[in-house]
Amino acid sequence: EVQLVESGGTLAQPGGSLRLSCAASGFTFSAYDMHWVRQATGKGLEWVSGIGTAGDTYYPGSVKGRFTISRENAKNSLYLQMNSLKAEDTAVYYCARGVGATSLDQWGQGTLVTVSS
Amino acid sequence: DAVMTQSPVSLPVTLGQPASISCRSSQSLVHSNGNTYLNWFQQRPGQSPRRLIYEISKRDSGVPDRFSGSGSGTDFTLKISRVEAEDVGVYYCMQGSHWPLTFGGGTKVEIK
Repeated sequence: EVQLVESGGTLAQPGGSLRLSCAASGFTFSAYDMHWVRQATGKGLEWVSGIGTAGDTYYPGSVKGRFTISRENAKNSLYLQMNSLKAEDTAVYYCARGVGATSLDQWGQGTLVTVSS
Repeated sequence: DAVMTQSPVSLPVTLGQPASISCRSSQSLVHSNGNTYLNWFQQRPGQSPRRLIYEISKRDSGVPDRFSGSGSGTDFTLKISRVEAEDVGVYYCMQGSHWPLTFGGGTKVEIK
């Protein structure tokens, strides 16, 4: 059974940093692209980063230069380093397994990030 | 960026009746390889999103056949042939043909 378990969400200060983790199991992690998607309370879904099997990374303009996605295949783990946090980064962050860059077929339960002073 | 526009925003439906959700893209979703990567997700209250449909019309394993997807180019539709109580939630379309990946704003399906 595929499992994706996010952790690291907490209260952070504006301008601060936070690192999220996603522990994957039940599939060959190194063979899949992986992504982060966020959802502010009561709002829709927003893709925030993706990483290919070769380590190539992708970001939308809203987080480019502030967020860094990475992976550690030996640990079946995905990470999201978030710097220069803003109030508008407050959201539940989901880890999702990619079908290349075309789809997201498995999702974790999410971890809540709150940016507030 | 491909802007995805869903309608309606809210969809009250009587149990057993059909429902239809529209998703329109600001640009063609035909990928350079000829495929069209349009996905539909269901998010039940308090749960994570779950993929229902990929590549316009391919149902995921375990998805009831009352869910169907159709469309081409820039216009796509998700249909539920007979709505059941467990179908309550928010439905999102998402395109995977162009970077960045983008989602529609969501359609909330509720029972009348």
